[in-house]
Amino acid sequence: EDQVTQSPEALRLQEGESSSLNCSYTVSGLRGLFWYRQDPGKGPEFLFTLYSAGEEKEKERLKATLTKKESFLHITAPKPEDSATYLCAACSGTYKYIFGTGTRLKVLA
Amino acid sequence: GAVVSQHPSWVICKSGTSVKIECRSLDFQATTMFWYRQFPKQSLMLMATSNEGSKATYEQGVEKDKFLINHASLTLSTLTVTSAHPEDSSFYICSAVPGQGVGQPQHFGDGTRLSIL
Repeated sequence: EDQVTQSPEALRLQEGESSSLNCSYTVSGLRGLFWYRQDPGKGPEFLFTLYSAGEEKEKERLKATLTKKESFLHITAPKPEDSATYLCAACSGTYKYIFGTGTRLKVLA
Repeated sequence: GAVVSQHPSWVICKSGTSVKIECRSLDFQATTMFWYRQFPKQSLMLMATSNEGSKATYEQGVEKDKFLINHASLTLSTLTVTSAHPEDSSFYICSAVPGQGVGQPQHFGDGTRLSIL
């Protein structure tokens, strides 16, 4: 069964304390791996798409990487405004989208 | 680019009322749109997949007569909650996939908070 698992469920960081969020997936025929940011009371905001192992994408303090089994979202020197829930999703070979349950990130000033 | 507009953002109505929520892709065409429901501090729960010009595909446990979905054009899908009751109160979010959707990311609206009194 296709599955996406995110860890940790919640993460508290001090401002400037870099860390990584994990997204493990078991998906047949991966068509794409996506990262989103969701703020309270808002819809998810698209961040990155990764298509193949070894691929990396960067935007400001965020960098997403992909292997054959997992993806990481690295946050470098985070700021309080990076606080949000981060979701990952995989598109399977049958074009089903499977979402993880998210990581709630809190960055303390 | 890839902007999805959802309207209304908040609606409060009496029990028994029907409520329509619109989801529009503003700068791209979307063959496929999705409707989700989200409870506080929980992840997205897929309700149905909407394909332009055909009937929506509902997830198990979702009443299709209760949640009517129409995807009449490549830029508009609507969700109608019929005869809404307090247990239908929730945060509803739509998304759209550009073009034919082959391995493309979903782009989300900002959600509709529905409160049934």
